[in-house]
Amino acid sequence: DAGVIQSPRHEVTEMGQEVTLRCKPISGHNSLFWYRQTMMRGLELLIYFNNNVPIDDSGMPEDRFSAKMPNASFSTLKIQPSEPRDSAVYFCASSIPGRRESGANVLTFGAGSRLTVL
Amino acid sequence: SQKIEQNSEALNIQEGKTATLTCNYTNYSPAYLQWYRQDPGRGPVFLLLIRENEKEKRKERLKVTFDTTLKQSLFHITASQPADSATYLCARDSNYQLIWGAGTKLIIKP
Repeated sequence: DAGVIQSPRHEVTEMGQEVTLRCKPISGHNSLFWYRQTMMRGLELLIYFNNNVPIDDSGMPEDRFSAKMPNASFSTLKIQPSEPRDSAVYFCASSIPGRRESGANVLTFGAGSRLTVL
Repeated sequence: SQKIEQNSEALNIQEGKTATLTCNYTNYSPAYLQWYRQDPGRGPVFLLLIRENEKEKRKERLKVTFDTTLKQSLFHITASQPADSATYLCARDSNYQLIWGAGTKLIIKP
């Protein structure tokens, strides 16, 4: 099992450009989460998908952010237009709620995508 | 609102000693608390989970406790090693998601 795969690992772009981050969850996991991590705010949940359907996007900062999950094995997080304050590490995580530690939701994270917006 | 609080200051421990990290939560007790390890440049990795009705749980050199009176979980690493140096995150369940602490950076000095 290759785990949760994210790309790109690093992205440097200029303000105003479109950024697309990609995630391949673990096969069979039906829950997918996008997080943003910064020193100031720690881990923030951006959006949660269950069975490819967005359940909660209340953490998405604003309309510049959008996320899709067209199938069970792929998700994207898009920022358009990007701004310097979007600079952070973006993590994708997947799980099967209750599969491990019966009843609990244990997450498996990808290695993250470090975004720098100049 | 539910919050998780962890000591934001780095914890420096001498190799071989026991490292103890603290996680405090607010409001009602969660059904379970989870502990993750995060190394620089990597995503958090699940270590241990403890349920509300469990007082203590162990895994090799790791031990987690859950005190619902103090609203606190303690995470212990015995016989600490420099390889244990990392940031440790505590999380509580909240419906379908987890509420995360900011993490405590642990430094084990040889």
